[in-house]
Amino acid sequence: DQQVKQNSPSLSVQEGRISILNCDYTNSMFDYFLWYKKYPAEGPTFLISISSIKDKNEDGRFTVFLNKSAKHLSLHIVPSQPGDSAVYFCAASARGGSQGNLIFGKGTKLSVKP
Amino acid sequence: DVKVTQSSRYLVKRTGEKVFLECVQDMDHENMFWYRQDPGLGLRLIYFSYDVKMKEKGDIPEGYSVSREKKERFSLILESASTNQTSMYLCASSLPGTGIQETQYFGPGTRLLVL
Repeated sequence: DQQVKQNSPSLSVQEGRISILNCDYTNSMFDYFLWYKKYPAEGPTFLISISSIKDKNEDGRFTVFLNKSAKHLSLHIVPSQPGDSAVYFCAASARGGSQGNLIFGKGTKLSVKP
Repeated sequence: DVKVTQSSRYLVKRTGEKVFLECVQDMDHENMFWYRQDPGLGLRLIYFSYDVKMKEKGDIPEGYSVSREKKERFSLILESASTNQTSMYLCASSLPGTGIQETQYFGPGTRLLVL
């Protein structure tokens, strides 16, 4: 059973518009959430994170929102750029979980069209 | 600047061969991880280690083993490669602790093809 779900395998957005990537989780013990970006033939790179004590974290064009009651987080990219085209992974870690382990979603492939 | 390196970007091996994938990090991180990434399946954890000579099974350890003789180096071993082990292999490292310390830093990946 997937504890972290990214239900949209792909998303296509026009350049300059907002990209919204969604992630749902089932484990109420998750207390830290991360987004990674991955280009083909490269390793994932850390993008932004949020602790469960917050509901929003912003870094430049990237904002992550956390809705604990809905067990839902989202990544907003504004404005979207063609260089943002990549696979985005959502990840979570749990209090008391295996040390340092992250649980990853299956990823959403974002395509930003010029 | 954080740095995780993997010994090969691309490898082609024959079924039954023993395969070694090496990973080195220069951040003095205690935790190291091996994942494989396959289309539609995301990142799946094979093994991890939170200290020298320590190892723990991840979600899919079958057919793999690991070695951590030094803090900076974590090796993944395919004892007898099979075609279903064709995949992208990713190494990562992190500090112990919670919150931001759990951020894992990834290497560039090794794309392994088993014929």
